[in-house]
Amino acid sequence: AQTVTQSQPEMSVQEAETVTLSCTYDTSESDYYLFWYKQPPSRQMILVIRQEAYKQQNATENRFSVNFQKAAKSFSLKISDSQLGDAAMYFCAYRSGSTARAELFGKGITLSVRP
Amino acid sequence: DTEVTQTPKHLVMGMTNKKSLKCEQHMGHRAMYWYKQKAKKPPELMFVYSYEKLSINESVPSRFSPECPNSSLLNLHLHALQPEDSALYLCASSQDKAGIPYEQYFGPGTRLTVT
Repeated sequence: AQTVTQSQPEMSVQEAETVTLSCTYDTSESDYYLFWYKQPPSRQMILVIRQEAYKQQNATENRFSVNFQKAAKSFSLKISDSQLGDAAMYFCAYRSGSTARAELFGKGITLSVRP
Repeated sequence: DTEVTQTPKHLVMGMTNKKSLKCEQHMGHRAMYWYKQKAKKPPELMFVYSYEKLSINESVPSRFSPECPNSSLLNLHLHALQPEDSALYLCASSQDKAGIPYEQYFGPGTRLTVT
């Protein structure tokens, strides 16, 4: 069975600084996809970034980038130049590429941004 | 249109009531999902519809009954709920073309309170 672990329940970052959110996962599958989702307080959950396991290159989306270490089964999210609007709960998620499933979410991490 | 809409936004119901939650998307997505989310917790998968057929039922109690009338609509019928069923109910959709799991688009959720 697959697992997704986010061991830090909360983190805080100063505005304009960089922060890294950790995520590890466990799977025996070779075909899978990883996601980071953001859920601001009382607002809609949205996709931040997506990584295909078969791609060696780390995904990047503007100020958001991932450090995907396949052998270590690690998938961390780096947020550069943090903004107040980045304050939210962030979920790491795993999805099998070979079986009909939905996202398996980690427990989430609450990120606060200090002005 | 990259939006998933859900109605109502808030719902208060007694344990003997029958009510329905509605979800709609017009992105041509063929996979639709119901999740239950408690505060500060990750979404818990309830049901998955793929091409209008129920493909996953995560052992959800029968007091929750999903329905997919067409490819754009998803309903969740509620009957004889318990106070512990109070939560945010999220609907999501995704493409899932040719077996490739695309990211999910989430609706804003229905905040359900069972009294």
